[in-house]
Amino acid sequence: NAGVTQTPKFQVLKTGQSMTLQCAQDMNHNSMYWYRQDPGMGLRLIYYSASEGTTDKGEVPNGYNVSRLNKREFSLRLESAAPSQTSVYFCASDRPNQPQHFGDGTRLSIL
Amino acid sequence: AQKITQTQPGMFVQEKEAVTLDCTYDTSDQSYGLFWYKQPSSGEMIFLIYQGSYDEQNATEGRYSLNFQKARKSANLVISASQLGDSAMYFCAMKKWTNFGNEKLTFGTGTRLTIIP
Repeated sequence: NAGVTQTPKFQVLKTGQSMTLQCAQDMNHNSMYWYRQDPGMGLRLIYYSASEGTTDKGEVPNGYNVSRLNKREFSLRLESAAPSQTSVYFCASDRPNQPQHFGDGTRLSIL
Repeated sequence: AQKITQTQPGMFVQEKEAVTLDCTYDTSDQSYGLFWYKQPSSGEMIFLIYQGSYDEQNATEGRYSLNFQKARKSANLVISASQLGDSAMYFCAMKKWTNFGNEKLTFGTGTRLTIIP
C-alpha cells in the first residue's frame, strides 16, 4: 500500500527559480492538503482541496499555487522561490472525521 | 479557532518505563477529533492514535493509549513499556468533525522524547 506519495524527496533551488511538488494518494480520499514544517514548529496549512477542481487557502498561502488535477493528485507550485520558503513540505489526505495520512515529505532548500 | 498546547519541549525516559506526553486544547467546536503523530529523525509523520470528542472510551492502539479528559480539555498520550525506537518528536493535533470533511489539522509545537537505554 503506497498511501500518499510525494516527489521529489529533496530539492535545492536558487532564488527566483520555480518548481512543482507532486503528491498522489491511492486511498480514494476526497480531501487533500499541503503543509509546511519549519524548524521547531508544528505543521502549518498552505492550501487544501475538497475535491477535483476545488482549492482553498490555508494559513500561509502567499507565494504558492496549487492544482487538484484529479481525485488522486494535488500539486504545489512555487512560481518564484524565496529563501523564506526553505522548509519541509508535507502532503496529506483524509476522509471526513478520520485521521489524515501524510506523505514522507519534500525537503526544499532555497539558496 | 483551535489551539493545541504541548508544554513539554523535551523528555528523557528510561527504557521500559511508561511515559505520558501532555496535550491541552482549546476549541469552540462541539464535535472534533484529537490525534497524535510521531515524527522520527527520518522525518516522516506517522499517525499513532485518535479520539473523537463524543467517544466515551479512551482510545488504545497497542502500547499507545490516549487519556482523554474532556472537561479539562486534555488529550495526553501514554506509551507503555517504552522502547528505544520510541525516541522521536511527538505532535498532538486536532480537527473539527463535519459531515463534509475538508478540515485542516491544527498542530502543537511537539515534544521531543528520548528513551535512555
